[in-house]
Amino acid sequence: RKEVEQDPGPFNVPEGATVAFNCTYSNSASQSFFWYRQDCRKEPKLLMSVYSSGNEDGRFTAQLNRASQYISLLIRDSKLSDSATYLCVVNMEYGNKLVFGAGTILRVKS
Amino acid sequence: NAGVTQTPKFQVLKTGQSMTLQCAQDMNHNSMYWYRQDPGMGLRLIYYSASEGTTDKGEVPNGYNVSRLNKREFSLRLESAAPSQTSVYFCASSRDRAGLTSPLHFGNGTRLTVT
Repeated sequence: RKEVEQDPGPFNVPEGATVAFNCTYSNSASQSFFWYRQDCRKEPKLLMSVYSSGNEDGRFTAQLNRASQYISLLIRDSKLSDSATYLCVVNMEYGNKLVFGAGTILRVKS
Repeated sequence: NAGVTQTPKFQVLKTGQSMTLQCAQDMNHNSMYWYRQDPGMGLRLIYYSASEGTTDKGEVPNGYNVSRLNKREFSLRLESAAPSQTSVYFCASSRDRAGLTSPLHFGNGTRLTVT
């Protein structure tokens, strides 16, 4: 089993739609969780951290479910500019061991 | 503010050739990292340097060496390139140990092809 698993997609949605991605992780002792965004042929950039209580940043909501070992990202009112690959990132142990999922491709169409 | 700068952007090598990928950051970050990204796989850590003067192996270190030249610079060397090292390489830095309180900042990437 992969340490961090994501549905590769692609998710094809119309502008204005709400879309959600899940990401499962294998290590129940994982400490920190993040969503990064990667545009085509560009470097990844931090989108948001995921806190235990859930957190929201504008149209983006991230949630953590420790019991089922998954994190989620919800995007409301999708924009064309949201088209990208979304990377789930988990800190597997205290320190420098960040594990990246392979990413979920989102395509928002007009 | 340049952030993380990697060179070169593209490189083609023949099997057995050597090369060094350069990385520099101007954010006064303590930690620096080298990742590779292959299709269908997540970024995988090759080596990292938690602070100036220290380096440690990541998940896929075989075939690579690194040097933390000073706080700003962290280079990755391929001594004898192999086709399996064809990949996109990203350098990254973070203020502290990544994944705790500080995010990773990535360079633009180096697309390496080994024939």
